[in-house]
Amino acid sequence: QKEVEQNSGPLSVPEGAIASLNCTYSDRGSQSFFWYRQYSGKSPELIMFIYSNGDKEDGRFTAQLNKASQYVSLLIRDSQPSDSATYLCAVKGTGGSYIPTFGRGTSLIVHP
Amino acid sequence: DADVTQTPRNRITKTGKRIMLECSQTKGHDRMYWYRQDPGLGLRLIYYSFDVKDINKGEISDGYSVSRQAQAKFSLSLESAIPNQTALYFCATGAQETQYFGPGTRLLVL
Repeated sequence: QKEVEQNSGPLSVPEGAIASLNCTYSDRGSQSFFWYRQYSGKSPELIMFIYSNGDKEDGRFTAQLNKASQYVSLLIRDSQPSDSATYLCAVKGTGGSYIPTFGRGTSLIVHP
Repeated sequence: DADVTQTPRNRITKTGKRIMLECSQTKGHDRMYWYRQDPGLGLRLIYYSFDVKDINKGEISDGYSVSRQAQAKFSLSLESAIPNQTALYFCATGAQETQYFGPGTRLLVL
């Protein structure tokens, strides 16, 4: 059973701070890693994906991947109240699988 | 217009009733998925289809069936609804590494 673990939170940070969201996965052969943002009552939307060890930056968002330790994280710089949402980590395995395994999500609250 | 649409958006039904949730997409993607989301449990895969003739069970397919009527349409049926099928249901399409989700159907089974 492939597992993707996230702390459910809520993670509360002040406006302007860096929010750090973490995700661990059990399948060492996992190849692709995704972060989705889901506002309350809405559908998930893709923020970032990462394949290689290291950092990938997109605006205020940075995804970090460490395959040896089997974790992936999402950093949100200069957090805004509009970033308040649940963040879902998803992981895809080997062999060209198109079926991601989702974590349960971490709730982020950015307070003014 | 939205690329992935779901109907109905909200539905209340009674135990034992058969209902169908419909999903349509204009993205031209071959891959389509049905998920349910329950508080604290994340997204769980019910069924998925990689083309019109390819239907596969996900991790929680019991009590559900699907039909892929065309590349653009993928329907989910609850043959005999039960209260623990009360959830938020999402349809999604897939291309390359990205999944695109519909707006969701909120289902309440009494």
